[in-house]
Amino acid sequence: AQSVAQPEDQVNVAEGNPLTVKCTYSVSGNPYLFWYVQYPNRGLQFLLKYITGDNLVKGSYGFEAEFNKSQTSFHLKKPSALVSDSALYFCAVRDENFNKFYFGSGTKLNVKP
Amino acid sequence: GAGVSQSPSNKVTEKGKDVELRCDPISGHTALYWYRQSLGQGLEFLIYFQGNSAPDKSGLPSDRFSAERTGGSVSTLTIQRTQQEDSAVYLCASSFNTGRAKPQHFGDGTRLSIL
Repeated sequence: AQSVAQPEDQVNVAEGNPLTVKCTYSVSGNPYLFWYVQYPNRGLQFLLKYITGDNLVKGSYGFEAEFNKSQTSFHLKKPSALVSDSALYFCAVRDENFNKFYFGSGTKLNVKP
Repeated sequence: GAGVSQSPSNKVTEKGKDVELRCDPISGHTALYWYRQSLGQGLEFLIYFQGNSAPDKSGLPSDRFSAERTGGSVSTLTIQRTQQEDSAVYLCASSFNTGRAKPQHFGDGTRLSIL
């Protein structure tokens, strides 16, 4: 069965510090992995994706994510957090054999000045 | 507008009434998805349309929920005899489905409140 886990409901980090938001997945085929961000009263916005190739992918707003096949993880990272990064972050996976996306439960990122 | 459009943005109705939520996807997107999100929580998959294929209805929570997609474009999600537990934000997303690598593009949702 396809699934995504985001083990942290909330991550707190000080502005200027590096941040990591964790995601692990389970799929039957090759994974297509995505990160989305949601600001209050808005829909989800696409940040980045991993399909194949380099394990480190770069996306919007200075975010990047590292794919680790052996650990089945796809953690979101940013070297220096901004207060404006505070939002709800979702990891999603799509199995190569299926059309549906499977979303994690979301992680609320709080960046404090 | 080039994005996914949902209407209404907010809907308040009384328990037992029927509601219709509309989604206008990005032009050319063949796949359309409906999700439900409760109180800033995770996304619950409801239904998925892909071109002219039969929709995947596996996420619809009860037979009070139904959805249509006319002409491969606009979709309507209908909830009959609404209950208070139906209160949530209903999100629509669309994507190209010529490749599995295509991300979804989301609308801003309809916030449904059942009194």
